[in-house]
Amino acid sequence: SYVLTQPPSVSVAPGQTARITCGGNNIGSKSVHWYQQKPGQAPVLVVYDDSDRPSGIPERFSGSNSGNTATLTISRVEAGDEADYYCQVWDSSSDHGVFGGGTKLTVL
Amino acid sequence: QVQLVQSGAEVKKPGASVKVSCKASGYTFTSYYMHWVRQAPGQGLEWMGIINPSGGSTSYAQKFQGRVTMTRDTSTSTVYMELSSLRSEDTAVYYCGRVQGVIMPIDYWGQGTLVTVSS
Repeated sequence: SYVLTQPPSVSVAPGQTARITCGGNNIGSKSVHWYQQKPGQAPVLVVYDDSDRPSGIPERFSGSNSGNTATLTISRVEAGDEADYYCQVWDSSSDHGVFGGGTKLTVL
Repeated sequence: QVQLVQSGAEVKKPGASVKVSCKASGYTFTSYYMHWVRQAPGQGLEWMGIINPSGGSTSYAQKFQGRVTMTRDTSTSTVYMELSSLRSEDTAVYYCGRVQGVIMPIDYWGQGTLVTVSS
């Protein structure tokens, strides 16, 4: 089965740039979606199709995807960005959805 | 506006079954697939399966094959997820989430349903 690997945690100071990676075999050939989840809440889509942003999501959130790694980049990090972030793809070979293990973003 | 409203919290004994509902409104029910995703306490998101409300076809994660059944009722715009042979490890918040196509993102989520399995 297809596996997505994320670092368990990323820490960044306010105003700096956070990069959260999502590794998978030839993930560059898939559409990657990113979700933000705060405690006690349902996930919220922040980036879809590798690099597109839903309406209402700040431009500070961006994404890229190439080779075996997709990356969510959060520029000018704010305290309110502290949350868990999950990448997700659809594995067409198995007709299954797949989530990464999640990354806890801590704003120092 | 789009809404996915899930049924309330459940407490079940080991070995029992649970059926969680997800009622959709604000869009054409049969035009969007529905994922089911769960999250155990302190853990990450886990994909369980997907149902196409149009024809009722399903795909389940290997881990849940034989224990999970996803169905839909087009007359009430509701999808259901039933999990049987419950064990303590099934204690989790269960979410439904709609997608326009299987490779597309989940753009709306239900509020989540806590299922607690305890003797």
